[in-house]
Amino acid sequence: TQLLEQSPQFLSIQEGENLTVYCNSSSVFSSLQWYRQEPGEGPVLLVTVVTGGEVKKLKRLTFQFGDARKDSSLHITAAQPGDTGLYLCAASRKAGNMLTFGGGTRLMVKP
Amino acid sequence: NAGVTQTPKFRVLKTGQSMTLLCAQDMNHEYMYWYRQDPGMGLRLIHYSVGEGTTAKGEVPDGYNVSRLKKQNFLLGLESAAPSQTSVYFCASRAWTGGSYEQYFGPGTRLTVT
Repeated sequence: TQLLEQSPQFLSIQEGENLTVYCNSSSVFSSLQWYRQEPGEGPVLLVTVVTGGEVKKLKRLTFQFGDARKDSSLHITAAQPGDTGLYLCAASRKAGNMLTFGGGTRLMVKP
Repeated sequence: NAGVTQTPKFRVLKTGQSMTLLCAQDMNHEYMYWYRQDPGMGLRLIHYSVGEGTTAKGEVPDGYNVSRLKKQNFLLGLESAAPSQTSVYFCASRAWTGGSYEQYFGPGTRLTVT
């Protein structure tokens, strides 16, 4: 059982649709990060959230950290083929400690 | 500024063979990490280092050894490869980015053990 559970594992949608992916845990975290990984490359950091209830926006991407700091969501508005990739959440229990990664959500956006 | 680089990019080993994966970073970061990535498992931490000359075990250290003789390099060794070590290996270094830590990843090494 993974400490961070991501859902769904796979998502295939048409260009222009909206989607939400989730990252859930029973543990409380000091911070949570979302990464995106493209085939053949390493993950790249999208955002870090540290405060319960925090919402951050990055163009068409909206990230939310749960009030209890146990879960997070990533919402993409009007998805584009360029959004295709593996989305990973990662969290740490203590500031500066090791990161634990979720299993990832593989997103495919069809033109 | 090349960031984090890894060599080799691909490798095929036979069971029992040994090899060393090299990670180099030119950002003067203290912390460096080795992860493995398997389908549906995300990234799992193998070993990490908080500075030159230091190493520590992560979540899945068995079968691997590491060394950090120079600040810019972090080596991952497999002494006797097993098919269970077939995976994609990522190296990362960490920086403080004004409020939180960010990890910078290399492009990965795809290892197959037959």
